Amino acid sequence: RKEVEQDPGPFNVPEGATVAFNCTYSNSASQSFFWYRQDCRKEPKLLMSVYSSGNEDGRFTAQLNRASQYISLLIRDSKLSDSATYLCADAGGTSYGKLTFGQGTILTVHP
Amino acid sequence: DAGVTQSPTHLIKTRGQHVTLRCSPISGHKSVSWYQQVLGQGPQFIFQYYEKEERGRGNFPDRFSARQFPNYSSELNVNALLLGDSALYLCASSLRPNTEAFFGQGTRLTVV
Repeated sequence: RKEVEQDPGPFNVPEGATVAFNCTYSNSASQSFFWYRQDCRKEPKLLMSVYSSGNEDGRFTAQLNRASQYISLLIRDSKLSDSATYLCADAGGTSYGKLTFGQGTILTVHP
Repeated sequence: DAGVTQSPTHLIKTRGQHVTLRCSPISGHKSVSWYQQVLGQGPQFIFQYYEKEERGRGNFPDRFSARQFPNYSSELNVNALLLGDSALYLCASSLRPNTEAFFGQGTRLTVV
């Protein structure tokens, strides 16, 4: 089993739609998680940290479910500019904060 | 404020050659990590340096090495390049380990 798994998609949604991605992780001791956004041929940009209590930033909400070992990202009112690859990262399991990434989920928002 | 800067942005090398990639972290950040990303995959961890010491190493061959300098900038070296080393090499900067990491624009290495 991969350490971090994501549904690669692609997810194709119309503008204004709500879309959710899940990401499962295998290390039950992990405490820190992040969502990154990566545009084509660019670097990953930090989107959100994922806290135990959940985290909301505008149209974006991140949740952590420890019992089932997954994190989620919800995007409300999708914009064309949200089209990108979304990467989840697990920072747990080491003392030095190595990030273990999923393969990414491709989102395309169309008019 | 300058973000993470990497150089060069693009590089073409021949099999068997050696390459050095450079990274300057965000001012005040003391931790630098290196990742390799091939098309269609998430970044894979190579090294992490903090306070000029190697703190973590990923599952990469000994052809890969790195160091961190007193000003916290870092170099990644790859010897005896193989075609399979072609990838986007990303440097990530953070205040210290286990804090939020910010990536540079990457160096796109092509080995021919």
